[in-house]
Amino acid sequence: KQEVTQIPAALSVPEGENLVLNCSFTDSAIYNLQWFRQDPGKGLTSLLLIQSSQREQTSGRLNASLDKSSGRSTLYIAASQPGDSATYLCAAPGGGADGLTFGKGTHLIIQP
Amino acid sequence: NAGVTQTPKFRILKIGQSMTLQCAQDMNHNYMYWYRQDPGMGLKLIYYSVGAGITDKGEVPNGYNVSRSTTEDFPLRLELAAPSQTSVYFCASSYEGFEAFFGQGTRLTVV
Repeated sequence: KQEVTQIPAALSVPEGENLVLNCSFTDSAIYNLQWFRQDPGKGLTSLLLIQSSQREQTSGRLNASLDKSSGRSTLYIAASQPGDSATYLCAAPGGGADGLTFGKGTHLIIQP
Repeated sequence: NAGVTQTPKFRILKIGQSMTLQCAQDMNHNYMYWYRQDPGMGLKLIYYSVGAGITDKGEVPNGYNVSRSTTEDFPLRLELAAPSQTSVYFCASSYEGFEAFFGQGTRLTVV
């Protein structure tokens, strides 16, 4: 059974800093990994999807990496802004069509 | 492009009542999912479907039922609501299990 862990659970940093969110997964036989953003009381917004054949995926100030051999993914946020404040979720397939297994998220606060 | 649409957004049920949470997607995705999100527990998979007429249980299916008569719709039925079903429910869809897109959620309280 896939298990996903995210570290840290919470993070508060001043505006402008570069930061790294970590995600680890137990079953490395995954075909992709997805990062989401969730604002309070809202749904999940897909940020990045990394295919198993890729090492990195970039969107604007966001960069996600995937290392299947070590069971790790990182989300790098450059030049953080207060609008980046949200909970960031990492999710990996549980196998086949049985959906995604989610970490508990990193609650990020960017201080103005 | 509406994406994944869930209704209602909020609902209060009394113990023992039943209701159906609606989910519709307009992206022609074959895979659809229902998750519940509880504080501090992360999202858990309730049921999923890989196409019309095909459904299967996820991690926490007890107390719920689903049907998939069309590609677009995937309703979740709660029978005999219990306080343990108080949660936020999310519907999602994907093409062949790749990038998943989520609805805005239904916040359900059972009292």
